[in-house]
Amino acid sequence: RKEVEQDPGPFNVPEGATVAFNCTYSNSASQSFFWYRQDCRKEPKLLMSVYSSGNEDGRFTAQLNRASQYISLLIRDSKLSDSATYLCAVNPGNTDKLIFGTGTRLQVFP
Amino acid sequence: ETGVTQSPTHLIKTRGQQVTLRCSSQSGHNTVSWYQQALGQGPQFIFQYYREEENGRGNFPPRFSGLQFPNYSSELNVNALELDDSALYLCASSRPQEYTEAFFGQGTRLTVV
Repeated sequence: RKEVEQDPGPFNVPEGATVAFNCTYSNSASQSFFWYRQDCRKEPKLLMSVYSSGNEDGRFTAQLNRASQYISLLIRDSKLSDSATYLCAVNPGNTDKLIFGTGTRLQVFP
Repeated sequence: ETGVTQSPTHLIKTRGQQVTLRCSSQSGHNTVSWYQQALGQGPQFIFQYYREEENGRGNFPPRFSGLQFPNYSSELNVNALELDDSALYLCASSRPQEYTEAFFGQGTRLTVV
């Protein structure tokens, strides 16, 4: 089993739709969780950190479920500019490295 | 912009050659991590440097090596290049001891032919 798993998609949604991505992790001792956005042939850019209490930034909401070992990202009112690959990243806690999923591709169409 | 800069942005090398990639970390960040991202995959952790010492290593062979300098900039060296080394190489800087978000440079796209 991979340490961090994501559905690769693609998710094709119309503008204005709500879309949710999940990411599961295998190490129950994992400490920190993040969502990154990556545009084609660009570097990953931090979208959100994920806290136990959940956090929201505008149209984006991230949640952590430690019991079931997954994190989620909800995007409301999708925009064309949201089209990208969304990577989840987990810090397993024994070092400062991040373990990434393979990414979920989102395509928002008009 | 993250303040993390990498050079060069693109590079083509021949199998068997050696390559050096460079990274300048964000101001105030003394930890630098290197990742390899193959096409269609997430970034894979290569190693991390803190205070000029290697501080953790992923599942990469010894021909992947690195350095960190007193100004916290870093180099990634790869010897005996193989075709499978073709990837986007990403450098990320962060502050240690209070694990914070990692901020990536724009990456170096290496093609091995």
